[in-house]
Amino acid sequence: SQTIHQWPATLVQPVGSPLSLECTVEGTSNPNLYWYRQAAGRGLQLLFYSVGIGQISSEVPQNLSASRPQDRQFILSSKKLLLSDSGFYLCAQGLAGGSITGELFFGEGSRLTVL
Amino acid sequence: AQSVTQLGSHVSVSEGALVLLRCNYSSSVPPYLFWYVQYPNQGLQLLLKYTTGATLVKGINGFEAEFKKSETSFHLTKPSAHMSDAAEYFCAVSDQGGDMRFGAGTRLTVKP
Repeated sequence: SQTIHQWPATLVQPVGSPLSLECTVEGTSNPNLYWYRQAAGRGLQLLFYSVGIGQISSEVPQNLSASRPQDRQFILSSKKLLLSDSGFYLCAQGLAGGSITGELFFGEGSRLTVL
Repeated sequence: AQSVTQLGSHVSVSEGALVLLRCNYSSSVPPYLFWYVQYPNQGLQLLLKYTTGATLVKGINGFEAEFKKSETSFHLTKPSAHMSDAAEYFCAVSDQGGDMRFGAGTRLTVKP
């Protein structure tokens, strides 16, 4: 089974400060990993996805970056936070190659508030 | 590219009433379709999914959805709402390669 850990669960940061959100997964090796953002009243926006160590694809230009230093670790970062970076960040795991069913498994999320 | 549209950002039903949450999709390839549920301050949990085969799909907690290709729809239903069903529901489409796109979500309220 897939287990996804996200840390920290909640975070309050001032504008201009750095950010690091961590996601670690258990279960299958070489998973596809995803970072989504959920802003208040809006759906899920795909930010980054990774099909392997060091391989990051960005969906939209933004103030954030992602890294995958290990097979089961996915990190979301920012050097200087903006107010618009506030939201609920979800890490998700898919099986390598998308799998037959294509479903994603989600972590419990990290809520970021930028003041 | 694929996309989904969820009709109605908020749906309110009485306890015991039918739940119907609407989803229409757009996809250039045969889609995989999903419904996820999200409780406050939690991640998303898979309710049900359609990949191939039977077009009526049953999921957890008494929910089901029917894939209708001619209508490009994948509406979610439950015959009788429970208070515990109050949550946000997301429809999603995948291109079979792991690229999943979500709708904007529908918040379900259940009145006693």
